[in-house]
Amino acid sequence: DVKVTQSSRYLVKRTGEKVFLECVQDMDHENMFWYRQDPGLGLRLIYFSYDVKMKEKGDIPEGYSVSREKKERFSLILESASTNQTSMYLCASTGGAGGPYEQYFGPGTRLTVT
Amino acid sequence: QQQVKQSPQSLIVQKGGISIINCAYENTAFDYFPWYQQFPGKGPALLIAIRPDVSEKKEGRFTISFNKSAKQFSLHIMDSQPGDSATYFCAASTMGQGGKLIFGQGTELSVKP
Repeated sequence: DVKVTQSSRYLVKRTGEKVFLECVQDMDHENMFWYRQDPGLGLRLIYFSYDVKMKEKGDIPEGYSVSREKKERFSLILESASTNQTSMYLCASTGGAGGPYEQYFGPGTRLTVT
Repeated sequence: QQQVKQSPQSLIVQKGGISIINCAYENTAFDYFPWYQQFPGKGPALLIAIRPDVSEKKEGRFTISFNKSAKQFSLHIMDSQPGDSATYFCAASTMGQGGKLIFGQGTELSVKP
C-alpha cells in the first residue's frame, strides 16, 4: 500500500527558529512536492524535486529551502520561521504504477509559529 | 496568478441531493484534470480524473463534466451522503511537468442528514 509519512503532525516553533519538516515515501517515486494549505487559498506549491539532489521552486518559495539527499526523503526547511509561515504543510509524491500524475499525500504537519 | 479558479468556497447539501463544484482554468496546455478529496486530519486523495479528449467521466456517484471550449470542468456528486462531507480540490496539470499540479482554492462540502 502506498505510504507517505511526515515527521510531525503538530509543531510549535518560535519566531526566528530554524524548522525542519521531514517527508518519507515508500513507493520509489521520482517526484516529490511540498505544499502549504491555507483556508481559501487551496494548496500552493512551495518546492518540488524530480530526482535526488534536484529541486525546483514552486509558486511560493520565499523563506523556504529543501533538501533531497535520498530518493525516499524530501525535507522542507524554514531558515528563520516567521508568524506568516503558520500553516498546514503537506508533502506528496508521484510516479510508479499510479502513472505520472496521481499525487499521494502525507497526513500533513500543522505548524504554528509564535 | 491563480490559474485554476474553484467555486463555491463552501457548500451545504441535504442528504440525497446533488453537489456541484465548478472549476475554470486559463492555460490551454493543461491536459489532465483531477479532483482530490480531503477529510479532516488527512491528506488529500485522488477521487477521479479526466483528460480533455472526453466530455464526461463517471465513477459511481461521482461525475466530472468537462467543457474544453469554455475551459471549465465540474464535479457532480449524486445522491450526496454525510460521508461525502469533506474538502474537494480541483487541479490541472500539463504533460511533461513531472506530475506538477495547479490546485483550485478548495470547496468545503457539508452534507446534512
